[in-house]
Amino acid sequence: AQKVTQAQTEISVVEKEDVTLDCVYETRDTTYYLFWYKQPPSGELVFLIRRNSFDEQNEISGRYSWNFQKSTSSFNFTITASQVVDSAVYFCALSERNTDKLIFGTGTRLQVFP
Amino acid sequence: ETGVTQTPRHLVMGMTNKKSLKCEQHLGHNAMYWYKQSAKKPLELMFVYNFKEQTENNSVPSRFSPECPNSSHLFLHLHTLQPEDSALYLCASSQDTYQETQYFGPGTRLLVL
Repeated sequence: AQKVTQAQTEISVVEKEDVTLDCVYETRDTTYYLFWYKQPPSGELVFLIRRNSFDEQNEISGRYSWNFQKSTSSFNFTITASQVVDSAVYFCALSERNTDKLIFGTGTRLQVFP
Repeated sequence: ETGVTQTPRHLVMGMTNKKSLKCEQHLGHNAMYWYKQSAKKPLELMFVYNFKEQTENNSVPSRFSPECPNSSHLFLHLHTLQPEDSALYLCASSQDTYQETQYFGPGTRLLVL
């Protein structure tokens, strides 16, 4: 069975704080991909990152960073020095080999206050 | 136009109406998807098309009828909907279906009265 858990329903921070969004996944497959998407109030899901299960290197893109740990089946997302524009719902998703399904978590709503 | 576009952005319809949602992708992709996003529920995959052929129907009621005339266009025909069908309907596309990154449109926010 596949499952993606985002235990944090909602997080509120003040601008310039660092914030980490948790994602835990379950899969029996050894080959899979993990994704993060951002959904601002406008509704569109914006692709942020795609990570192969064989690549455990952490990734940094500007203020965004991702920590992939196979040992704990986690793929956490950190925003450094958060900004009001980061306010959105963030989704973690999983795709296994030979499947056209993208399994989404329930999302974490991040509110960044000025 | 770039990326994935959807029209209309907002739609209000009665339960006896027939309407259609349109999605167009300008990315040269071969696969297209319809998702439903209801309040407080995970994104639900509805349909998958790959090279115009439907490859997935996720037990969607027949009052939702998809159509994919070519790899760039995807429609969702709606008829005799129920109030619980009110949701954000998102279209996405990807190069192919297997483990490819999906790119989403802005969605159509549907209200069924």
